[in-house]
This record gives sequence, structure tokens and C-alpha cells, in this order.
Amino acid sequence: QQQVKQSPQSLIVQKGGISIINCAYENTAFDYFPWYQQFPGKGPALLIAIRPDVSEKKEGRFTISFNKSAKQFSLHIMDSQPGDSATYFCAAKDTQGGSEKLVFGKGTKLTVNP
Amino acid sequence: EAEVAQSPRYKITEKSQAVAFWCDPISGHATLYWYRQILGQGPELLVQFQDESVVDDSQLPKDRFSAERLKGVDSTLKIQPAELGDSAMYLCASSSRTSGALDTQYFGPGTRLTVL
Repeated sequence: QQQVKQSPQSLIVQKGGISIINCAYENTAFDYFPWYQQFPGKGPALLIAIRPDVSEKKEGRFTISFNKSAKQFSLHIMDSQPGDSATYFCAAKDTQGGSEKLVFGKGTKLTVNP
Repeated sequence: EAEVAQSPRYKITEKSQAVAFWCDPISGHATLYWYRQILGQGPELLVQFQDESVVDDSQLPKDRFSAERLKGVDSTLKIQPAELGDSAMYLCASSSRTSGALDTQYFGPGTRLTVL
């Protein structure tokens, strides 16, 4: 059972365009929603994160929009640059059972063309 | 900037052999995680430590995988015997409840395992 569903699987955007990646979840006990960026051969790096009591968080060109009632959240990358080309993972923190594991989506491979 | 260290970065082994991966978390981070990332997928938690104690190993295949964090600092993940399906990236992450960002998990560069 996939607890965090991410779409699209891949995305191609022109330089300067807006990249949008969507995620949906079922478990209402999730209480923290980070986005990670991963370059080939590297470990994931935290990009931006949000808690469910906030509807939007912006850091530079990156914005998370969060819809608690719909159990959906999305990442918007404004003015996308070729250096943003990477795989992006949404995640949710599951605190059930005493652990604090992150449950990841399957990832979106973003390609930003020059 | 402090980082999570992992070694080796790459490991090629034959089926039925034993392999071990090492992780050194960011200094002072009490929580340590081992994740497995299959190519094209998101990371999946194998085991979580709080200091030297296992908090969650529900997804660890205990018949062949073991993990330890004897002194509550660095950690070792072992696979014995390795199977073809174990080929993946093994990621270590750490976090701290004493830092400002309580929930941030910092990932190491990973160990890419190939089982032949």
C-alpha cells in the first residue's frame, strides 16, 4: 500500500517556467511534509518542508501548497533553472508506533531545458 | 557544514556473500536511520535507532539483515547472505531533537550495492 502518491513520474520544463509536482496521502496522522531533492549518485537533500497547520510556505523560488482537507500538497518551482534538474521526492512523517520514519513518494524526475 | 558520512560508496559482491556498510551521523544526532532505495523509487526505512536502541525495525528482513549502533554514535548495517534483489542504494540519515529543526533528517551520500 503506497501511503504517499506522487505525480507526475517525470516532468520536462523550459528554463524560466514553473514546475509543479503533486502529492496525496491517506494517513491523517502524518504531521510533517518535507520535499527532498536528489541528484544522481547523491543522497536526498531537504529542500523545503511544511506542517499541516500552514497552507503555504515559500522559500526563494520554492513554494509548498498544502490542502489539509483534500490531503494533498504540492511543490512549485518558479523560474525553473537547468540546475534544478534532479529527482524530487515528497515525504510524510509517520509517528505511529513510536518511530518517526519518513514515508516517501516514488519521485519525480525533473528536466529543465535551457 | 557537518555531514553524514557513509562507506564504502560503492560495493560489488556476489550472491551469498556477506557485506557491511558503515555510517557516521552528524555529531550529536541521537537518531539514526537506515533506508534502502531501489532504483527509480523513493527511500524506504529499514531501521531507526534512538541512541543505541532500535526504535523501529519492522521493515528489516531480519533473516539476512542486521544493524547495530553499539555506542550510540556510528552504525553498521550487514547483509548475510546477499541476494540479487538486495541491489540498491543504502542510505543513512540522522536527526536531532535538540536542534531547531526537530524533524529534519540529513542524508548521507549512500552506498550503492550491486549483487552479481
